[in-house]
Amino acid sequence: DAKTTQPNSMESNEEEPVHLPCNHSTISGTDYIHWYRQLPSQGPEYVIHGLTSNVNNRMASLAIAEDRKSSTLILHRATLRDAAVYYCILRDASGGSNYKLTFGKGTLLTVNP
Amino acid sequence: GAVVSQHPSRVICKSGTSVKIECRSLDFQATTMFWYRQFPKKSLMLMATSNEGSKATYEQGVEKDKFLINHASLTLSTLTVTSAHPEDSSFYICSARPRLAGAGGETQYFGPGTRLLVL
Repeated sequence: DAKTTQPNSMESNEEEPVHLPCNHSTISGTDYIHWYRQLPSQGPEYVIHGLTSNVNNRMASLAIAEDRKSSTLILHRATLRDAAVYYCILRDASGGSNYKLTFGKGTLLTVNP
Repeated sequence: GAVVSQHPSRVICKSGTSVKIECRSLDFQATTMFWYRQFPKKSLMLMATSNEGSKATYEQGVEKDKFLINHASLTLSTLTVTSAHPEDSSFYICSARPRLAGAGGETQYFGPGTRLLVL
């Protein structure tokens, strides 16, 4: 899978929006952009994914750059429960890699009360 | 939503013993299950991919004779750590990819993890 680059950590205040960036300059045409998050001592949790268009769900929004070389995960109102490590992952949709996910270091999000 | 369980959630064992960890998809069938290992303050590292009814595919550097994976049904995969040693102490996490697209086919659903401590 192509590599992604994320800041090591970010900080936010409760009830404020959070924009988590991800760079993926070597993304290929069949790569989906996935975001997962991992709360302390838990398994990862799916957040959102997209291919080309911006996506919204109940947890977050995903803004994808027009050239697809970067994306931003948007949490509209951060809560203390959103404190986690957020992983931006490119997954090959062609199935050649058997759909496996390759986790990088992610971004540790701290939410201040 | 899709739920994946792991059992046990925590296990302590003596060096040289074997430990089996179960991963179950509770409300969907999983074509593929994945096993990860995570050391403290590190990211998840994929150990192996298992498809129901076939042999697991191990990542480079993972000993297949030490980490035995069985995926006997579409809802159950097991990871057995054989002759465990203290360096095998880690957080083991499984994930499952639903068989049907309607169950969220593009995503993977992760279990809560099993913390293994080998004394």
